[in-house]
Amino acid sequence: EPEVTQTPSHQVTQMGQEVILRCVPISNHLYFYWYRQILGQKVEFLVSFYNNEISEKSEIFDDQFSVERPDGSNFTLKIRSTKLEDSAMYFCASKERGWTDTQYFGPGTRLTVL
Amino acid sequence: EDQVTQSPEALRLQEGESSSLNCSYTVSGLRGLFWYRQDPGKGPEFLFTLYSAGEEKEKERLKATLTKKESFLHITAPKPEDSATYLCAVQAGVGGSNYKLTFGKGTLLTVNP
Repeated sequence: EPEVTQTPSHQVTQMGQEVILRCVPISNHLYFYWYRQILGQKVEFLVSFYNNEISEKSEIFDDQFSVERPDGSNFTLKIRSTKLEDSAMYFCASKERGWTDTQYFGPGTRLTVL
Repeated sequence: EDQVTQSPEALRLQEGESSSLNCSYTVSGLRGLFWYRQDPGKGPEFLFTLYSAGEEKEKERLKATLTKKESFLHITAPKPEDSATYLCAVQAGVGGSNYKLTFGKGTLLTVNP
């Protein structure tokens, strides 16, 4: 069964460093998302991406964040200058079609900022 | 702003003891309500989608129902392997651009043998 994959599973970085989190969505899916979950808190929406552009972004997704689909399979989230408060689980999700289709989530990348 | 509230925050059951989890929501134009299961350190795993009041979906020991203001996840005769956090999420809005999910905090279910 097709699934969303994410690498790395755990990333440790120093404050101020740049990180790139990678995702491979399900192959025939058209809509892509990043969410994050700070330990003990709810899953929060960061950004949605369709047709090679951002569809919507949350207040969390400031100028330090960017997303890219560099080729036909990968979807990346870049944090330019990490802060301690960026420490969280980051989940990639994808879905096949519009409004009410199900979003399928990857296993997550645990980002630890020291 | 869309709001999703789940209760209880935690629920401890004995194996075989049936119960229900609640998800109440306040949204502008519900497009879909989703239930996910999340194991520790893992991503949300899809369980059900409900689109309109009165709809019900079943899968093994789980049954999800939807009204205009809330959804219930009924667990019948649970087993220890049903222990997980159950997340409720809504997709809402008007127009064609709002596809995001808004999640509740989840209910941590523990089923003791």
